[in-house]
Amino acid sequence: DTGVSQDPRHKITKRGQNVTFRCDPISEHNRLYWYRQTLGQGPEFLTYFQNEAQLEKSRLLSDRFSAERPKGSFSTLEIQRTEQGDSAMYLCASSPAGPYGYTFGSGTRLTVV
Amino acid sequence: QQQVKQSPQSLIVQKGGIPIINCAYENTAFDYFPWYQQFPGKGPALLIAIRPDVSEKKEGRFTISFNKSAKQFSLHIMDSQPGDSATYFCAASRKNDMRFGAGTRLTVKP
Repeated sequence: DTGVSQDPRHKITKRGQNVTFRCDPISEHNRLYWYRQTLGQGPEFLTYFQNEAQLEKSRLLSDRFSAERPKGSFSTLEIQRTEQGDSAMYLCASSPAGPYGYTFGSGTRLTVV
Repeated sequence: QQQVKQSPQSLIVQKGGIPIINCAYENTAFDYFPWYQQFPGKGPALLIAIRPDVSEKKEGRFTISFNKSAKQFSLHIMDSQPGDSATYFCAASRKNDMRFGAGTRLTVKP
């Protein structure tokens, strides 16, 4: 499979629990992006990696959020002490160069109850 | 802050019609304007994109019209089909800063 893979597809968690999502980008893409999408809205930028370096973080990414890309391949997004407002679709995208040729994964839908 | 404004929120057309979706941006530094198509349960997929030095781009049934002075661009879908029913997002970017519109839910009736 040559697309962007995200796991899990769905996650239901209780408020206050920690959750971790994984993204496997297209193997030759060195840029990886995390976005959040709420119902009826477009994706909102969270953070961006070039290889293993996290180069940009949105103000949306509070202290409860952390993202890693330890070997410049897959990435993880962790949300600590989840809140109901964290309920959203979390999308990962990868590209070979900048915003051109973005490929999105199918996302992880998080529901915090 | 919403840097890309998209309209309409929803659109219903008959098969064969030409839906038009409009976007306006604020930041004149944006230099890449893609459109994405998203089906339920899937991530957005790149449909077509344009740079500001071009006023129009066509790919198959999809056309982007770009008006740099007005800071507006639009997507036209020729001969629309029920399979085009999806949510469409415009976006504008500069380097790695990509901003999306709120989306337009398109329904093409048979």
